[in-house]
Amino acid sequence: KAGVTQTPRYLIKTRGQQVTLSCSPISGHRSVSWYQQTPGQGLQFLFEYFSETQRNKGNFPGRFSGRQFSNSRSEMNVSTLELGDSALYLCASSLEAASEQYFGPGTRLTVT
Amino acid sequence: AQKITQTQPGMFVQEKEAVTLDCTYDTSDQSYGLFWYKQPSSGEMIFLIYQGSYDEQNATEGRYSLNFQKARKSANLVISASQLGDSAMYFCAMREADPGAGSYQLTFGKGTKLSVIP
Repeated sequence: KAGVTQTPRYLIKTRGQQVTLSCSPISGHRSVSWYQQTPGQGLQFLFEYFSETQRNKGNFPGRFSGRQFSNSRSEMNVSTLELGDSALYLCASSLEAASEQYFGPGTRLTVT
Repeated sequence: AQKITQTQPGMFVQEKEAVTLDCTYDTSDQSYGLFWYKQPSSGEMIFLIYQGSYDEQNATEGRYSLNFQKARKSANLVISASQLGDSAMYFCAMREADPGAGSYQLTFGKGTKLSVIP
């Protein structure tokens, strides 16, 4: 079974731009969660989607948004990028919300 | 207060020796889950082991075992017979339910960087 895939793997953007990251979960998994990892704040929960519905959101500004499609693939969008948004963005999928989460390789975003 | 505390920023272990990575947690929930993940320099988080709050026996997965002491709220990871490939960051995480949202989320500790010495 293929694992969680994330595209792109690396991204460089300029302050003020917007970016869209994509995540394809393991086949059959319906829950997709997103996390931001920075050296200063560590791993922080962004949001969780299940069957195209956002069920939970972490403490991030409204510039961070996401969606999930009917095939469970998910995208997250960050608008008006700030330098502090530079991070590794990790996506995780699970069969059900309470199951183990399996992570993708991440997208490393650099904002200049 | 931090929900997950990993007090060891860095650890060294000799190859083939065992090592214990510490993790304490804080929750008022009765039902929760504890996880350990490994993150090599490539960045991917690799699931290692899981312990449910109602599990009476300590979880084991190959060379990994979880020393779960519920009363002390600790969930230490024990790696036996360390290998060079075990060098990585290790994260302890707790899953708590958000009943209102019908959802769960993981809260991670700051991590421990393990270096295995030949």
